[in-house]
Amino acid sequence: ELKVEQNPLFLSMQEGKNYTIYCNYSTTSDRLYWYRQDPGKSLESLFVLLSNGAVKQEGRLMASLDTKARLSTLHITAAVHDLSATYFCAVDYAGGTSYGKLTFGQGTILTVHP
Amino acid sequence: KAGVTQTPRYLIKTRGQQVTLSCSPISGHRSVSWYQQTPGQGLQFLFEYFSETQRNKGNFPGRFSGRQFSNSRSEMNVSTLELGDSALYLCASSRSRGTADTQYFGPGTRLTVL
Repeated sequence: ELKVEQNPLFLSMQEGKNYTIYCNYSTTSDRLYWYRQDPGKSLESLFVLLSNGAVKQEGRLMASLDTKARLSTLHITAAVHDLSATYFCAVDYAGGTSYGKLTFGQGTILTVHP
Repeated sequence: KAGVTQTPRYLIKTRGQQVTLSCSPISGHRSVSWYQQTPGQGLQFLFEYFSETQRNKGNFPGRFSGRQFSNSRSEMNVSTLELGDSALYLCASSRSRGTADTQYFGPGTRLTVL
């Protein structure tokens, strides 16, 4: 059974600081996603990582994927209050029959303080 | 381009009743997946439909069912509602079932079972 674990689950940051969220998954996967969820809202797609060594950046967020270590990171640079949200990683195990079935991590609740 | 739409947005039911939730995918998207989000269990996959056929199913009881129509719109049904079915139900659509197809989420239907 595919398992996805994130850490930390809670992250309180000061504005201007850097931090990293980690996402480990248990079996080979073709795709890893990062999503953002604001309170009471739906999931917003941030990044899709498709291959080993993939790195994507958008603003203050950068995501990377190491398929050998089964590890993805979401790095936050110079955090601002607007980044406060819950961040989820999700894996789509492409075992031939599992397209369309995302397995999510527990989510990391990020709070950025002034 | 319009996003994924879900109706209704909020629903209050009592135990034992049944409920039908609707999802309209992004135009041109043919795959629709459903997820349940609760504070205790997080985000869990329910099922995925593509070309009017259920392609994947999560570990939920038979009370949870769904279908997809020829225009890719999807419905899910929950019969004999239980208190534990209270959750945010999210629908996601993707263009197809290929490696590079991101799932885009709708706003969700918040179901409360009394």
